[in-house]
Amino acid sequence: EIVLTQSPGTLSLSPGERATLSCRASQSVSSSYLAWYQQKPGQAPRLLMYGASSRATGIPDRFSGSGSGTEFTLTITRLEPEDFAVYYCQQYGRSPFTFGQGTKLEI
Amino acid sequence: EVQLVESGGDLVQPGRSLRLSCAASGFTFDDYPMHWVRQAPGKGLEWVSGISWNGVNTAYADSVKGRFTISRDNSKNSLYLQMNSLRVEDTALYYCAKRDGAYDIWGQGTMVTVSS
Repeated sequence: EIVLTQSPGTLSLSPGERATLSCRASQSVSSSYLAWYQQKPGQAPRLLMYGASSRATGIPDRFSGSGSGTEFTLTITRLEPEDFAVYYCQQYGRSPFTFGQGTKLEI
Repeated sequence: EVQLVESGGDLVQPGRSLRLSCAASGFTFDDYPMHWVRQAPGKGLEWVSGISWNGVNTAYADSVKGRFTISRDNSKNSLYLQMNSLRVEDTALYYCAKRDGAYDIWGQGTMVTVSS
C-alpha cells in the first residue's frame, strides 16, 4: 500500500498570500496518478488537480500542481476567502487508492 | 446535470447488514468505473472499494475485505455497496464517486452509524 503523508497538518495564512501544500508518497506514484481534492465543511470533496499538474474543469488558474515520483506539491497563489478548506492528495495508480491525511488551510 | 445520489444509510447495531445505493444521472454510467469512499466523523477520506465499468473487476480496502461487496446494475444506472458484519469503526459518511482517472464527480454521501 502506498502511504501518502501531507504537510503541514495545518497552514495559517491570509487572503492574498501564497500557499504551498506538500504530499509525499512512500513509493513512486505511477505515471503521476496523483490528484488533489478540496473539501469544505459539510460538502463533498471536489477534484482540483489530476495527473499531478492538470487542473480539473472549472478550477481557477491560481491553483497549480507539480511533482513526480514521491514528491508532489499543490500551490495556491493569491489566496481567496473561498480557498480556506481542507485539501487531500490521493494516488490512483495502484489499488488501494490511498488518500493523504489532509492539510487544513485556515485564515 | 451530472449527479450522484447516495441512499440507504442508517443506524444499525454491530454485526448487522446494510445496503447502500448510488443513483447516477447526466452521464453514460456504463462508461466509467465507480468507487466508494468513506469519511468517519471529523476524520479524513478513506477509499473503500471500486468496480470496473462492466462489473467484472472489483477491489476492496483491507479494512472491509470479506465483509463488503460492491456491485452495479448498468441497466438501472446504479451502484451498490452491500455491507455485512458491520463494526463500530465502519461508522462514516459514505460517498460514491465516478472515476475518470481521478474522482471527478462525487455524491453528497449517506451516513452509516454502527452502534449498540
